[in-house]
Amino acid sequence: EVQLVESGGGLVQPGGSLRLSCAASGFTFSSYEMNWVRQAPGKGLEWVSYISSSASSKYYADSVKGRFTISRDNAQNSLYLQMNSLRAEDTAVYYCTRLAGSILNFDYWGQGSLVTVSS
Amino acid sequence: QTVVTQEPSLTVSPGGTVTLTCASSTGAVTSGYYPNWFQQRPGQPPRALIYSTSNKHSWTPARFSGSLLGGKAALTLSGVQPEDEAEYYCLLYYGAARLWVFGGGTKLTVL
Repeated sequence: EVQLVESGGGLVQPGGSLRLSCAASGFTFSSYEMNWVRQAPGKGLEWVSYISSSASSKYYADSVKGRFTISRDNAQNSLYLQMNSLRAEDTAVYYCTRLAGSILNFDYWGQGSLVTVSS
Repeated sequence: QTVVTQEPSLTVSPGGTVTLTCASSTGAVTSGYYPNWFQQRPGQPPRALIYSTSNKHSWTPARFSGSLLGGKAALTLSGVQPEDEAEYYCLLYYGAARLWVFGGGTKLTVL
C-alpha cells in the first residue's frame, strides 16, 4: 500500500525557517518524481515544487522561488521541503504527492502537515 | 501570470448529470496540458480522479469521466450520488514554463 506521511509542520515566526519531511513507503521511491502542494486555510490548492526521481531537475512556483528548496534522499525514501524567509501567506497545509511518469499523473497524496507563520 | 478558471459552484440533483470545466488563460486546453482532476471533501486531502485528460484510477467510480470540450478540460459526473458533494480541482501542466497550475476549484452541491 502506497503511503506518504508528512511531518515537521508547526508554528514559526515571520522570517523564520522550517523543514518539512515526507516519508514514503509501499513503492519504489527512487523511481518516482515528487511534488509539494499547499492549501491555505479555506482556500484552493497551489502547486509549490517538483523534483525528478534522481533530483537532477527541480521546479518551483514563483511565489516560493528563492526561499524554498526541495530535496530528496532515495536511500531513506524521503522527500523534503526547506522553507526559509517564511511569510504569513505561506501559512497552509502542505501535501506531498507522487507523480507517476510521463503521463504526469498525480496519483497519491499524503494527509498533509500544517505550517502556521505568525508572530 | 497564468490563470486556470473553473466554475466557482454548481448544483445538481441526485441521479443527474453535471459537467465541470477547466479553462486556461493562455488559450485552448489540449492533451499536452495533461489535465488532472481531484476531489476534496472537507477535512480530507485531495483524492485523484482523472489523469492525462481522461484516464481513470483504479478507485475512480465509473460515473466520473474526463474529456476535452470546447477548448477546455472537462469532468462529467453521470448519475450523481449524494457522496459526490465536494470541491473539485483541475490541474494543468505548462511544460514550457515548467510549472503546474491548479484551478480555483468548483464546489459541487448535490440537492
